Amino acid sequence: DVQLVESGGGLVQPGGSRKLSCAASGFTFSNFGMHWVRQAPEKGLEWVAYISSGNSTIYYADTVKGRFTISRDNPKNTLFLQMTSLRSDDTAMYYCARSGSGFAYWGQGTLVTVSA
Amino acid sequence: DIVMTQSQKFMSTSVGDRVSITCKASQNVRTAVAWYQQKPGQSPKALIYLASNRHTGVPDRFTGSGSGTDFTLTINNVQSEDLADYFCLQHWNYPLTFGAGTKLELK
Repeated sequence: DVQLVESGGGLVQPGGSRKLSCAASGFTFSNFGMHWVRQAPEKGLEWVAYISSGNSTIYYADTVKGRFTISRDNPKNTLFLQMTSLRSDDTAMYYCARSGSGFAYWGQGTLVTVSA
Repeated sequence: DIVMTQSQKFMSTSVGDRVSITCKASQNVRTAVAWYQQKPGQSPKALIYLASNRHTGVPDRFTGSGSGTDFTLTINNVQSEDLADYFCLQHWNYPLTFGAGTKLELK
């Protein structure tokens, strides 16, 4: 079975940094592009970033461009999101999702709270 | 950026009814639209991809339709477990964009 398990969330001060991880299993990770999607409390879904299977193509939402970096380690089946210069409006549940057929598979999410 | 408009934030229904949730794209996205269901405290669940293809395991009472700019998710014979939030997504162009969501509630 496909599994995506996010980790690394927590409480961060404004201006701080945090690195999220997404451990993938149950499929050949290196064959699929991957996304990060976030959801602020009681709000809708916002696409954050995409990385292609071989790292050659990366896209970011304008709201995070220049502050967040998506990366992956294919031998370790892990996706990352390095977040810097965090602001209160970055507070959200962060999900990783596998590309292909829309987003067929999502993780359970990891909560990032930006607050003093 | 492509804007996905779900004009109905809330829809009221009864068990056994048929309900249609709509999503309008601000420009032509062909059939690059997916639909998701989300219940409180859970991650989104994929229902439909490429506008009209049901994911494995999704009950056949869920049907997606549309192309270009107008898309519809129809739920026939609504069940109590279908009460949830529903989101559309366009994956034709980056940045990918979601609709704001439609909450399906009981009358």
